[in-house]
Amino acid sequence: NAGVTQTPKFQVLKTGQSMTLQCAQDMNHNSMYWYRQDPGMGLRLIYYSASEGTTDKGEVPNGYNVSRLNKREFSLRLESAAPSQTSVYFCASSTQGANQPQHFGDGTRLSIL
Amino acid sequence: EDQVTQSPEALRLQEGESSSLNCSYTVSGLRGLFWYRQDPGKGPEFLFTLYSAGEEKEKERLKATLTKKESFLHITAPKPEDSATYLCAVQPGNQFYFGTGTSLTVIP
Repeated sequence: NAGVTQTPKFQVLKTGQSMTLQCAQDMNHNSMYWYRQDPGMGLRLIYYSASEGTTDKGEVPNGYNVSRLNKREFSLRLESAAPSQTSVYFCASSTQGANQPQHFGDGTRLSIL
Repeated sequence: EDQVTQSPEALRLQEGESSSLNCSYTVSGLRGLFWYRQDPGKGPEFLFTLYSAGEEKEKERLKATLTKKESFLHITAPKPEDSATYLCAVQPGNQFYFGTGTSLTVIP
C-alpha cells in the first residue's frame, strides 16, 4: 500500500550541481504534481502533469525541469542548483478532474550549500 | 488572482477546548476546496473535499463547512493527537493553491 513514493528522502548538494528527484505512484492516477514547501510560504506548485504526455508550469518553475516518464513516474530535475532552491519538495498525484483530492509523498529534504 | 488565506497562523488549545480554523479564498471558478493535515516530517494527508456552498463534512472530532468566500474547520473537544498543521487548498482549474496553514497545538 505504497501510495506516492519519493526518492531520495534527504540530499545535500553544492551550488551548481545537478540532481533528479524521483516520484512514483501506484494508484493509477492521471495527474501528478511537484511542490516546494518553505517556511511561511506554504506549498507552491512548480510543475504539474495533468495526464501522461503533458506537462505545464506552475507558480515557481524557474530553475526546474520535469519529465513524465510514464503514467506512474514524474521526475523533477535541478540542472544547476542554487541556495535559493533549498527546500522540502513534495510530489502528489490525483485523479484528473474537479473535486479530486491530491495524495502526497513524504517529501525530499534538499539542502544546497 | 487566485489566493487562499488561513487564520490564525498558530493556535494553542487545552484538551477539550473546541475552536475553529478559517480559510478564506478568492478564486475564479471553484472546482473544489480541500483540507489536509500535515504532521512534522510528513506529507499532507487528505481530510475533506467540499464543493458547494452550504456543504458540510465530518470525521471524528473534525467538521468542515463551506460558504462562497470561506471555509471553516471546526474541532470539537480536541485531543493532543490532533496537534498538527492544517492546510487548506482550492482548485480553480488543473492547479491547486494552498494557504500557509494553521499550526494547532493541543495541550493535555
